[in-house]
Amino acid sequence: AQTVTQSQPEMSVQEAETVTLSCTYDTSESNYYLFWYKQPPSRQMILVIRQEAYKQQNATENRFSVNFQKAAKSFSLKISDSQLGDTAMYFCAFMSNTGKLIFGQGTTLQVKP
Amino acid sequence: GAVVSQHPSWVICKSGTSVKIECRSLDFQATTMFWYRQFPKQSLMLMATSNEGSKATYEQGVEKDKFLINHASLTLSTLTVTSAHPEDSSFYICSASTGIRGYNEQFFGPGTRLTVL
Repeated sequence: AQTVTQSQPEMSVQEAETVTLSCTYDTSESNYYLFWYKQPPSRQMILVIRQEAYKQQNATENRFSVNFQKAAKSFSLKISDSQLGDTAMYFCAFMSNTGKLIFGQGTTLQVKP
Repeated sequence: GAVVSQHPSWVICKSGTSVKIECRSLDFQATTMFWYRQFPKQSLMLMATSNEGSKATYEQGVEKDKFLINHASLTLSTLTVTSAHPEDSSFYICSASTGIRGYNEQFFGPGTRLTVL
């Protein structure tokens, strides 16, 4: 069975600085997808970034980028130029070809002014 | 595009009553819908997967007789919490996708907060 682990329950960062959220996963599958979702206080789940396992190039979306290390089964999220609106709970998630999402425990990020 | 709505957004009910939560895909046909449960400051736990026109598949440990899921059309799935008890109080989130096999992005609804008194 696949598992997703986020070892940082809470993190904080100063506005405009960079922060990295960690995620590791375990699977025996070779093809899968990894995601980072943001859940702000409104609790609406928002897709931040997506990585396809067969692609070696790390995904980027504006201020958000990932460091995908397939052999190490690591998938960290880097947020550059942090903004107050980035304050939220962030979930790392795994999807195999079953289409089901398996979420990590989440990391609460506080961006301080 | 790809908007999913849930109704109601917040419901309070008495212990022993049943509550129905609706999940609708507003601008696409969702062949597959997922139901999650989330306790405060915790992760999303998948409860069940429903495909249009067929019975839902429940995750291990989820009581299918308590959490009734119906996916009668390509745009609507419902979750009915039967004989609700205070321990059923939680945040319920649905998502919808256009398929089950391979990669199909899940689009999430805004969630429903259930409080059982």
